[in-house]
Amino acid sequence: GENVEQHPSTLSVQEGDSAVIKCTYSDSASNYFPWYKQELGKRPQLIIDIRSNVGEKKDQRIAVTLNKTAKHFSLHITETQPEDSAVYFCAASKRSKSTFGDGTTLTVKP
Amino acid sequence: DGGITQSPKYLFRKEGQNVTLSCEQNLNHDAMYWYRQDPGQGLRLIYYSQIVNDFQKGDIAEGYSVSREKKESFPLTVTSAQKNPTAFYLCASSIDYYEPGQTTYEQYFGPGTRLTVT
Repeated sequence: GENVEQHPSTLSVQEGDSAVIKCTYSDSASNYFPWYKQELGKRPQLIIDIRSNVGEKKDQRIAVTLNKTAKHFSLHITETQPEDSAVYFCAASKRSKSTFGDGTTLTVKP
Repeated sequence: DGGITQSPKYLFRKEGQNVTLSCEQNLNHDAMYWYRQDPGQGLRLIYYSQIVNDFQKGDIAEGYSVSREKKESFPLTVTSAQKNPTAFYLCASSIDYYEPGQTTYEQYFGPGTRLTVT
């Protein structure tokens, strides 16, 4: 089955700096790669996604890149703010089944 | 935050008892999922269902059972056979739209049920 590895497990940055979270996957048939943000005590919510026919996607301060050959994808957050502090999960999906990474706890220090 | 609900928010049970967690959605989604979330371990798939009256085991199905008699409902039973049932349980649903260049399996999560078994 699919295996997703996510790094780092914790990340601490100063407000205004950039944050990068990386994931690798094993199943070349995975074709949809979402990123979810989970604030403390709340449910995960989709923040950005990318499909296998696209190499990069940007939405304001958030961007995601995908390298299908290397089977890795990354989340980039620029100009970080304290409200970006949360746990971020990547996932690799195929035919409606998603495999999640273990999560990255991002802390943005004011 | 509407659309997919779970109840109760907190649940306490004695060891050896079966317990059923509720999950309901009014998003008209075909697919529904149950995940277990433990600290530092992300979301692990217990069971999923892509259509009414059909479901598949996920990565950690042992000690759990599900049913999908209605499109809107996907209850999870944690049986006494589950060795370590104390955890946060998340239900999700997805629309599963497959179209080249527009595929999405975005999952909408419920608020979760925190189960404590002593």
